[in-house]
Amino acid sequence: DQQVKQNSPSLSVQEGRISILNCDYTNSMFDYFLWYKKYPAEGPTFLISISSIKDKNEDGRFTVFLNKSAKHLSLHIVPSQPGDSAVYFCAARDMNRDDKIIFGKGTRLHILP
Amino acid sequence: ETGVTQTPRHLVMGMTNKKSLKCEQHLGHNAMYWYKQSAKKPLELMFVYNFKEQTENNSVPSRFSPECPNSSHLFLHLHTLQPEDSALYLCASSDPTTSAYNEQFFGPGTRLTVL
Repeated sequence: DQQVKQNSPSLSVQEGRISILNCDYTNSMFDYFLWYKKYPAEGPTFLISISSIKDKNEDGRFTVFLNKSAKHLSLHIVPSQPGDSAVYFCAARDMNRDDKIIFGKGTRLHILP
Repeated sequence: ETGVTQTPRHLVMGMTNKKSLKCEQHLGHNAMYWYKQSAKKPLELMFVYNFKEQTENNSVPSRFSPECPNSSHLFLHLHTLQPEDSALYLCASSDPTTSAYNEQFFGPGTRLTVL
């Protein structure tokens, strides 16, 4: 049973426009949510996080929104740049296990020129 | 060396071979992880070591055997693997005691092919 779901395997966005990546989760015990970015032949790198007590966290071009009642979060990238083309993983931490993170399948983002 | 390193980067092995993957972190972290990434699947957590003690074995077959001799090194010993074990194996480290959201730092991975 997948606890963290990224239902869009891929997304294409024009350079300069907004990219929106979505993530749904099922476990109400998750207290932190994270987004990771992965380029080919490299390991994932941490991008941005949000605590379950907040509904928005912004860092430069990246903003994560959390809707707890819907168990949904999204990552907004604006404006999108060519270097943003990568696979983005949504992840969540269970408050009962501070050393364990659950990942989604990832969404491949293509930024079109 | 900085960050998390993994060797080898690529490995091809037969089903009867024995090989080991190595991970080393230079970040002073106390938790280390093995993940498996197969095509079109989530990153699958395999093992967690926290202060050198195994705290998670996510129903991993015994043909995968982890070893954590100290908080900086993590090994994954492979024995009589199956072709379906072909995947990218990622190592990560973190410090759950100081990072509220347990940000994990990943190595580049070992691309394993089992023939």
